[in-house]
Formats: sequence, C-alpha cells, structure tokens
Amino acid sequence: NAGVTQTPKFQVLKTGQSMTLQCAQDMNHEYMSWYRQDPGMGLRLIHYSVGAGITDQGEVPNGYNVSRSTTEDFPLRLLSAAPSQTSVYFCASRGPNYEQYFGPGTRLTVT
Amino acid sequence: EDQVTQSPEALRLQEGESSSLNCSYTVSGLRGLFWYRQDPGKGPEFLFTLYSAGEEKEKERLKATLTKKESFLHITAPKPEDSATYLCAVQLGVLTGGGNKLTFGTGTQLKVEL
Repeated sequence: NAGVTQTPKFQVLKTGQSMTLQCAQDMNHEYMSWYRQDPGMGLRLIHYSVGAGITDQGEVPNGYNVSRSTTEDFPLRLLSAAPSQTSVYFCASRGPNYEQYFGPGTRLTVT
Repeated sequence: EDQVTQSPEALRLQEGESSSLNCSYTVSGLRGLFWYRQDPGKGPEFLFTLYSAGEEKEKERLKATLTKKESFLHITAPKPEDSATYLCAVQLGVLTGGGNKLTFGTGTQLKVEL
C-alpha cells in the first residue's frame, strides 16, 4: 500500500495564480481532509470529506475549494493564490478508529 | 473554545535521559486523544490513541497516558533517532458536534543528543 500520496512536493506560485494540489489514498477510507501547517499555529483543518460527493468546510476554508468524485482522490484547489497561503499542506485520510494517516506534504510558496 | 496546549515547546535530552512531554486540553466530550510524531520535512505519523482517563499505551521507548485534563508522553532512555516533533490532537465526540474535527497542539520539538 502506498498510503496517502500528494503531488507536487514543492510549488512556487505568483499572486493571483491558481493551482490544484493532488491527494490520493489506497486504504479505502471514507474520510479525507486537508490541513495547512504554519510555524507556531499547529495543523489547521481547511476542508474535509466524509465520502464521495460530500465535502464540508473546516477551520480555515477561505481561498480554497475541494471536490470528491471518488473515494481515492481529494484534490485541493487554490482559486487565486495569495502570500498568506504560503504554507505546508497535508492531506490525510482517517482510519476506522479515528486515527489519521498523513501524506508527505506540499510546500507552497506564493510570491 | 477548545484548546490543546503542549509543553515544553522544545526539549533537549542526552541519550538515555528519560523525560515526559505534556499535552493539556480544555474540551468537553472527548472522543479520543492522539499522539503523532513528525520528522522534518515529512507528514505526521500516527503513534497512539487514548480514549479514557487511566488508559496507557506503549510502543518501544514511548508510553502515553491520559487523565481527564491532560496526557503525557513518557520517553524512557531515549536515543538520537527519537528526535522529532511530537504532536497531540483531540477529537470530540459526535454528540458534541466534533465528530469531524481534530484539534492539534503546536507540538514539542525533541532533540536527543549523544
């Protein structure tokens, strides 16, 4: 099993550009989520999904969109990148006992 | 507001010097408390889940314990490879509206030196 995979690993964007961060899992988990990690802030929930076709907002959803067309994939879209979105982004899927399995992360810089 | 506080922010130990990391929380309706390890440049790795006060879990040199207001991660005779950031997180129960939200602390950065 590959677990949770994310692409790309690194990305640099200019302000106003859009992009999609990819996330996939092969553990057949229904629940998936996106977090951002910033120094001194801890991991903060952006969006989550409890299954294909169902998504909801987390703690910091502004500027991000998600969709869930399959159990395996949960992409995160940045609509118009801003410097405040410079961060490390982690995708996670949740196991049957609420434990989360994280991907390796995408390091995004917005200039 | 639900809060999770970890202390200390950073800890430097000599190899073999046992210590404990603390995670205190101010939430009601706790469903579970989780410990993760995060190495630099990588995603958090799941370590333990604790569900109720008095529960303990062990893995190699790590033991996690839980009371009604805090959790401890005890590290016995640590080695340099235990160096990492340790994160704790709490999950509220479904009945308290937190079934889909995990609240993380900011972590303790542990450095174990030879």
